[in-house]
Amino acid sequence: SQQGEEDPQALSIQEGENATMNCSYKTSINNLQWYRQNSGRGLVHLILIRSNEREKHSGRLRVTLDTSKKSSSLLITASRAADTASYFCATDAGTYKYIFGTGTRLKVLA
Amino acid sequence: DAGITQSPRHKVTETGTPVTLRCHQTENHRYMYWYRQDPGHGLRLIHYSYGVKDTDKGEVSDGYSVSRSKTEDFLLTLESATSSQTSVYFCAISDQQGRGHTPQHFGDGTRLSIL
Repeated sequence: SQQGEEDPQALSIQEGENATMNCSYKTSINNLQWYRQNSGRGLVHLILIRSNEREKHSGRLRVTLDTSKKSSSLLITASRAADTASYFCATDAGTYKYIFGTGTRLKVLA
Repeated sequence: DAGITQSPRHKVTETGTPVTLRCHQTENHRYMYWYRQDPGHGLRLIHYSYGVKDTDKGEVSDGYSVSRSKTEDFLLTLESATSSQTSVYFCAISDQQGRGHTPQHFGDGTRLSIL
């Protein structure tokens, strides 16, 4: 299977803390993307990092990519209750298809 | 939000009946995808399309067929529904960008229950 895996599967933190989730994948990629899914909704794209980039920022989000280890991490700083959602990584190997991980369920307690 | 609509949003049907789910986009994107989402499995690709009448199988295509007769519509058909196909189905769209693709935009899903 080419499916990525997120770690941890579930994470519970207090509002204001940072949340870190990791993604591992198995094949060479063009880019890696992170998505958020609120309960009962479709996935929403958060950030994309290309294979030749090592770090990228967007607001309170920081993504790192280590292609030698085939892994990525998503850091959400100063978390808010509204960040409660499931987070997925997806890899684009340039074959029209995206491979999604199994997701991390984040719960931010107010 | 990207213009992507799934219908129906909810459906309950019986084993052995045919079911068709529709995905409609107004973005003129080239690529369209059908996924199913089940607890513990994340999103798994069923079929995808890379142009009108151009489709290919994903990792869980058995029991499903698709058709794309025009750019904006991508249909997923369960020829004879089984209880194992109870799931939440998501459609997504993306477009070509350089050597890769634009991020995918997702519909809000169809919750399908097969009794």
